[in-house]
Amino acid sequence: AQSVTQPDIHITVSEGASLELRCNYSYGATPYLFWYVQSPGQGLQLLLKYFSGDTLVQGIKGFEAEFKRSQSSFNLRKPSVHWSDAAEYFCAVPYSSASKIIFGSGTRLSIRP
Amino acid sequence: EAGVAQSPRYKIIEKRQSVAFWCNPISGHATLYWYQQILGQGPKLLIQFQNNGVVDDSQLPKDRFSAERLKGVDSTLKIQPAKLEDSAVYLCASSLPGGGVAFFGQGTRLTVV
Repeated sequence: AQSVTQPDIHITVSEGASLELRCNYSYGATPYLFWYVQSPGQGLQLLLKYFSGDTLVQGIKGFEAEFKRSQSSFNLRKPSVHWSDAAEYFCAVPYSSASKIIFGSGTRLSIRP
Repeated sequence: EAGVAQSPRYKIIEKRQSVAFWCNPISGHATLYWYQQILGQGPKLLIQFQNNGVVDDSQLPKDRFSAERLKGVDSTLKIQPAKLEDSAVYLCASSLPGGGVAFFGQGTRLTVV
């Protein structure tokens, strides 16, 4: 069965520091993979998606993610975080289509001034 | 382009009362989803509509939850009677048919006291 695991519940980084949020998936075939961000009191916004092709995916707000089949991972990265990046980040994988998705439990990102 | 609209934003009810949430998807999006997001967890799919038909309601607690999308556009999700454990954010999402990316509304935060 499809599943996604985010091993880090809460991460704190200093403003301007680099960031990597971990995501591991379980999926029978080549997966679609997504990262969503949820700011306080807001809905979920798509950061980036991987469908096929280039394994390094660029998203909005300076984020990128790399699909590594050998490690079943799709980690989210940003070279320099801003205070406005403080939010909850969710990795997701489809049940059966790109729009019907299973979410991980989320990683809460805090930014240290 | 207008996004997914949800109302109300917040609702507080007593247990055993009933409540209804409304969602208007992005124009032209035939697929509509309701997700439940309990505090500290990722969203969990409750029900999926394709136009006005239910595609998947396997995770909907049908003894107390119901949803409809009569004209294939907007949708309502109802809880009757509510329990304390129903306290959560209820997110609506929509997508184009055929597996496009899902776009989310801001959600309705329900508190059952």
